[in-house]
Amino acid sequence: KAGVTQTPRYLIKTRGQQVTLSCSPISGHRSVSWYQQTPGQGLQFLFEYFSETQRNKGNFPGRFSGRQFSNSRSEMNVSTLELGDSALYLCASSSNSIKEQYFGPGTRLTVT
Amino acid sequence: GQQVMQIPQYQHVQEGEDFTTYCNSSTTLSNIQWYKQRPGGHPVFLIQLVKSGEVKKQKRLTFQFGEAKKNSSLHITATQTTDVGTYFCAGVGGSGGYQKVTFGIGTKLQVIP
Repeated sequence: KAGVTQTPRYLIKTRGQQVTLSCSPISGHRSVSWYQQTPGQGLQFLFEYFSETQRNKGNFPGRFSGRQFSNSRSEMNVSTLELGDSALYLCASSSNSIKEQYFGPGTRLTVT
Repeated sequence: GQQVMQIPQYQHVQEGEDFTTYCNSSTTLSNIQWYKQRPGGHPVFLIQLVKSGEVKKQKRLTFQFGEAKKNSSLHITATQTTDVGTYFCAGVGGSGGYQKVTFGIGTKLQVIP
């Protein structure tokens, strides 16, 4: 079974731009969660989607948004990028919210 | 809301010494999961504990879930350099039909050869 894939793996953007990150979950998994990871901050939860519906949202500004498609693939969008948005963005898929999560390799976003 | 505290945040041990990381939740959990992230990698699922007082072992790793289902620990016996990484706990809990996952901040383990 193929693992979770994320594209792109690396991205460099300038302040004010927007970015879209993509995540393809493990086949059959309907839950996709997104996390932001920065040094010393652990895994900060962004949001979770299940069957195209956002079920939970973390404490991030409205510049961070996401969606999930009918094939369970998910995208995350960040508008008006700030320097502080530089981080590793991880996507994780699961068969449902209480089961173990399988993480993708992440997208390393650098904002200059 | 649900909060999961994890300590210590950093730990340096001599190879061969034991290591323990602890997680405490502000609310009762349905289950707790443990993950390991190697340097430069992504978190990888290790184990899930569901029952009150449950203890599970994976070779040199011992995982415990507290009786009240609010705390957990991961103990590594005789650490090796391959144990280097950050260990995260993730508490699963919530009311109604929806459960939420909350990660601890992680414990970064450094093993000195």
